[in-house]
Amino acid sequence: KQEVTQIPAALSVPEGENLVLNCSFTDSAIYNLQWFRQDPGKGLTSLLLIQSSQREQTSGRLNASLDKSSGRSTLYIAASQPGDSATYLCAVCTDKLIFGTGTRLQVFP
Amino acid sequence: NAGVMQNPRHLVRRRGQEARLRCSPMKGHSHVYWYRQLPEEGLKFMVYLQKENIIDESGMPKERFSAEFPKEGPSILRIQQVVRGDSAAYFCASSRDSPPYEQYFGPGTRLTVT
Repeated sequence: KQEVTQIPAALSVPEGENLVLNCSFTDSAIYNLQWFRQDPGKGLTSLLLIQSSQREQTSGRLNASLDKSSGRSTLYIAASQPGDSATYLCAVCTDKLIFGTGTRLQVFP
Repeated sequence: NAGVMQNPRHLVRRRGQEARLRCSPMKGHSHVYWYRQLPEEGLKFMVYLQKENIIDESGMPKERFSAEFPKEGPSILRIQQVVRGDSAAYFCASSRDSPPYEQYFGPGTRLTVT
């Protein structure tokens, strides 16, 4: 059974720091992995999608890597800003999306 | 091109009432998924539907919950005789084709059972 774990569960950092959020999954048989952002009381915003054949994807200050063999993905946020404060979710795609429980990020000025 | 639409955005029901949640997929999408997010928990898959067919309902509670996606109109998630434990955010997603095509999420319906 596929299980997805995210660490840390919560993170509080000053503005400007570079951050690494971790996601691990137990079964490497995935089609792709996706990172989402969720603001309190809001829906999900897709940030990056990495196909299983890819190693990384970049969008602006965000970079996501995927090591399928070891069951790990990282989301790197460069030069964090208060507007980055949100919960970050990773999800692996098999025949459905299986989500981790998220990392709650707070960036303070 | 409008995104995935869900309504209502907020729904309050008393215990024992029925809740109906609606989801209109993105234009051109014929695959719909429902997920539930309980307070302080991650999103959990509930059901995957194509037009007029349930493809995977492995995440649906065995009783009181049902889903449909008719030939015309939105997908409906129906919860009969709601209980306090049904209070959650319910998200709908749609995709152009079957997994692993990318799923696009709606804003969610927040159900509160009093």
